[in-house]
Amino acid sequence: EAQVTQNPRYLITVTGKKLTVTCSQNMNHEYMSWYRQDPGLGLRQIYYSMNVEVTDKGDVPEGYKVSRKEKRNFPLILESPSPNQTSLYFCASSSTAAYSGNTIYFGEGSWLTVV
Amino acid sequence: AQSVTQLGSHVSVSEGALVLLRCNYSSSVPPYLFWYVQYPNQGLQLLLKYTTGATLVKGINGFEAEFKKSETSFHLTKPSAHMSDAAEYFCAVSADSSYKLIFGSGTRLLVRP
Repeated sequence: EAQVTQNPRYLITVTGKKLTVTCSQNMNHEYMSWYRQDPGLGLRQIYYSMNVEVTDKGDVPEGYKVSRKEKRNFPLILESPSPNQTSLYFCASSSTAAYSGNTIYFGEGSWLTVV
Repeated sequence: AQSVTQLGSHVSVSEGALVLLRCNYSSSVPPYLFWYVQYPNQGLQLLLKYTTGATLVKGINGFEAEFKKSETSFHLTKPSAHMSDAAEYFCAVSADSSYKLIFGSGTRLLVRP
């Protein structure tokens, strides 16, 4: 079954404590990305990756880091989380770039609360 | 630059009634258009998409959407709402060498018994 798997699904953490949200896909997709969802704003892209070791900033990259050392994995790193990073995060993957019109698959989301 | 506007953050219908969720987009090039659904505590699931060809697109669970270039719209419809349709719906556009989907702000559909 085609899957994008994120962990953890729910996390409450404190300001400044580094955390990593993992993402893994089993579809051998080249393109992966991270979005955050906030009320009234829809989803906004944080970072994306076109392939192993190739990443670039999306619309809201401040406060986040990513890495793509393996094709299947694309972790999101919050080096020093702040309360304004409290959000619902989605990992996504696709076989081609979004502008090709191919389907983008999303994980189930990770609820992150920073206190 | 592309953008998406979803009219109505909340839409309430009675079970069995027509569902109409509105989406307007702006794009300088022919767009690819998507509708995603998010059920409570779940991820995003693709309902349907328009890339090229037929402008009336049928999706899962009885939903369909029509691409109207002259109106820059891609409204989502379902003839008869079911309680299980209660969810948040997102319209999205991708075009112009973009590596991302641009989402609307979402519409929460409430279905009354």
